[in-house]
Amino acid sequence: DGGITQSPKYLFRKEGQNVTLSCEQNLNHDAMYWYRQDPGQGLRLIYYSQIVNDFQKGDIAEGYSVSREKKESFPLTVTSAQKNPTAFYLCASSPDRGATEAFFGQGTRLTVV
Amino acid sequence: GNSVTQMEGPVTLSEEAFLTINCTYTATGYPSLFWYVQYPGEGLQLLLKATKADDKGSNKGFEATYRKETTSFHLEKGSVQVSDSAVYFCALRRGAGGTSYGKLTFGQGTILTVHP
Repeated sequence: DGGITQSPKYLFRKEGQNVTLSCEQNLNHDAMYWYRQDPGQGLRLIYYSQIVNDFQKGDIAEGYSVSREKKESFPLTVTSAQKNPTAFYLCASSPDRGATEAFFGQGTRLTVV
Repeated sequence: GNSVTQMEGPVTLSEEAFLTINCTYTATGYPSLFWYVQYPGEGLQLLLKATKADDKGSNKGFEATYRKETTSFHLEKGSVQVSDSAVYFCALRRGAGGTSYGKLTFGQGTILTVHP
């Protein structure tokens, strides 16, 4: 079955450590996105990528980094520079930059202790 | 820039009640409009969409009509069920062209709780 897989579902890390969240899709989609969701707030765009080896900052990119070495994969690293990393992280993909919907993974809940 | 505004929640209803969740948007050009639903601890699922003015999206008893004149895309359901309890997000996406990169812009989400 085609879809988007995020792993792990739950992640705990100590303050000051970098952590990488995985996102893989087998939908052959060109575009991939990372969103952050906090309680009572909507989704905020962290980074997005329209094509392999290219990505753009979203609205809240500070303290995060990404790579897009393969079409299927778009990992997100939460660095120690991110002031408040505890949140629910959602990865999405879509066929192109057109007016089609995005498909979402199940999310990763990151807790920094 | 693009923006989406949803009615403030949370919304609490009894089973079989009528549901309306308001959504208005600001965008240049002709965006596509979406409603997504999120169940506890899960990602977002597409509920319905409309890609041009006057289109009506529908799914699982939910409906929304793309109203360009009022820049709105209100979500409605005639009779809600307990299983409809979730968070609902309105979103827009610009099409290709210009400086758009097809990014999704979301509203803040509306929590719906339906009691038996």
